[in-house]
Amino acid sequence: DAGVIQSPRHEVTEMGQEVTLRCKPISGHNSLFWYRQTMMRGLELLIYFNNNVPIDDSGMPEDRFSAKMPNASFSTLKIQPSEPRDSAVYFCASHWGGPKTEAFFGQGTRLTVV
Amino acid sequence: QQQVKQSPQSLIVQKGGISIINCAYENTAFDYFPWYQQFPGKGPALLIAIRPDVSEKKEGRFTISFNKSAKQFSLHIMDSQPGDSATYFCAAGDDKIIFGKGTRLHILP
Repeated sequence: DAGVIQSPRHEVTEMGQEVTLRCKPISGHNSLFWYRQTMMRGLELLIYFNNNVPIDDSGMPEDRFSAKMPNASFSTLKIQPSEPRDSAVYFCASHWGGPKTEAFFGQGTRLTVV
Repeated sequence: QQQVKQSPQSLIVQKGGISIINCAYENTAFDYFPWYQQFPGKGPALLIAIRPDVSEKKEGRFTISFNKSAKQFSLHIMDSQPGDSATYFCAAGDDKIIFGKGTRLHILP
């Protein structure tokens, strides 16, 4: 298995534009988490899914952020409209047996909003 | 109650020395305590994890010490090597995992 795959690896966009980040979890994993990493705030949990169902989105900073998981092999995180303060590295991670098992992280998407 | 506090923010250790990173949590419902290691440009990867029914877990040069009554746990890296230079995250949780802010460790050759 190639591991968790995120795309794009880098994204530069202008303020106000819509941004969509994509994640393909490891096959067979039933939990998927989205995180945001910044120097100031570290690794923040945004939202997580279990069996494709959103379980907790309390970490989503604003209504500008939304996430979907239409099937077990694909998830998206969308920011609309984007703002400079959204600049960060966004990771997704998948687990095979729930949050209290090993998280397998993708390589992240570095988002820069100018 | 959901915070995990990690210290120090950065750490410099001589090769062969012991690196110690500390974490504290507040929520007594937390029952899973992993440590993750992250190299530049990569996602974090699980290093070692502990559950509260044990006070210590060792894997090679890496040891987690856990103090349930104090709600604290720590990572010890024995015989630290330059290849250990990375960012380390502690985490804790039950139905979801909360990460500390990370410690940037640099091992001097």
